[in-house]
Amino acid sequence: DAKTTQPNSMESNEEEPVHLPCNHSTISGTDYIHWYRQLPSQGPEYVIHGLTSNVNNRMASLAIAEDRKSSTLILHRATLRDAAVYYCILSGSAGGTSYGKLTFGQGTILTVHP
Amino acid sequence: DTGVSQDPRHKITKRGQNVTFRCDPISEHNRLYWYRQTLGQGPEFLTYFQNEAQLEKSRLLSDRFSAERPKGSFSTLEIQRTEQGDSAMYLCASSQWHNRGTNEKLFFGSGTQLSVL
Repeated sequence: DAKTTQPNSMESNEEEPVHLPCNHSTISGTDYIHWYRQLPSQGPEYVIHGLTSNVNNRMASLAIAEDRKSSTLILHRATLRDAAVYYCILSGSAGGTSYGKLTFGQGTILTVHP
Repeated sequence: DTGVSQDPRHKITKRGQNVTFRCDPISEHNRLYWYRQTLGQGPEFLTYFQNEAQLEKSRLLSDRFSAERPKGSFSTLEIQRTEQGDSAMYLCASSQWHNRGTNEKLFFGSGTQLSVL
């Protein structure tokens, strides 16, 4: 499986934008870039995903580099409820495996200060 | 839509005992996944079902672990002869997969926290 690299931790102030980076230099052409987050004592929660183009949804934006070797999750205005571990994950169907078979790393712990 | 439900939320057992966990996926979802998460680590894939068929099992899944999804709805994960190393959060997720080779979005439950004494 292609690997991702994320900072161990990041901090932000409430109501400020947050840019969470992810490097994935060995990404293959069919790999989707997923972001999930995990709040304390809960299971992971889907945030956003993309393939080549930038994506927006009600939770966040995903900016994908032109060469696809890196991406950035953007939270436009952080709230205290956004404090979580954020996982950047690649998934593809190479070899017939499921897109839902995700390889989680350790993620980025986001702390949001009031 | 009540989301993915897992039962129990917590389980404490003694080494050597058998335990069984249940997962109820989102009702229209045809795929169901089991993951395991230890403290400070990301979740690890264990196995998944498409309807009632178990399509893949991780090498992490020893012979003591068995999972079923008999009618393509709820699933159970059983661990026989538990060991202290089995202590972890066991997470279930479901998805609606369309046979168009497109991406999947997983919906996770809150997990079952297993402690083996």
